Amino acid sequence: EPEVTQTPSHQVTQMGQEVILRCVPISNHLYFYWYRQILGQKVEFLVSFYNNEISEKSEIFDDQFSVERPDGSNFTLKIRSTKLEDSAMYFCASSERRSSYEQYFGPGTRLTVT
Amino acid sequence: RKEVEQDPGPFNVPEGATVAFNCTYSNSASQSFFWYRQDCRKEPKLLMSVYSSGNEDGRFTAQLNRASQYISLLIRDSKLSDSATYLCVVNVAGGGNKLTFGTGTQLKVEL
Repeated sequence: EPEVTQTPSHQVTQMGQEVILRCVPISNHLYFYWYRQILGQKVEFLVSFYNNEISEKSEIFDDQFSVERPDGSNFTLKIRSTKLEDSAMYFCASSERRSSYEQYFGPGTRLTVT
Repeated sequence: RKEVEQDPGPFNVPEGATVAFNCTYSNSASQSFFWYRQDCRKEPKLLMSVYSSGNEDGRFTAQLNRASQYISLLIRDSKLSDSATYLCVVNVAGGGNKLTFGTGTQLKVEL
């Protein structure tokens, strides 16, 4: 069964450093997403991406965040200057088409900012 | 009012019991509805979509009441492996396919 994969599974970084979280969506999917979940809280939408551009972003997704699809398979989330409050689980998701709203999630990257 | 509201639980039930979870959503423009399950420190996994006519998948039955903005999930003959957090999720019509999650209801199935 095809699945979304994410690397690394855990990233520890110092405040102010840049991190790049990587995702490989399901191969025939066209819509890609990032969500985050702070420990003990609900899953929150960050950004959606289609046809090499952002479709929608949340208030959380400020100027320190960016997304990119550098090639035909990878989808990345960059945080330019990490803050303590960026510590969370970051989930990548993908869906086959816009009209198919079912999104499938990767196993997540746990980001710890110290 | 929260966008998606759920009773956090926990619901502790014996194996074989029937358990029901409820969820309300605030945005009447919500278009698609789902139940996901999440095991501790793992990713949300799609359990089932919820359709207006109601739908069933094995031991799981989902219902939607658009007028009341209410979604339910019924689990029959619960198994130990059903222990998880059940997330009520809605999608509001718009350009980005954004999913809005509830905080989840924790289920513990015991021997």
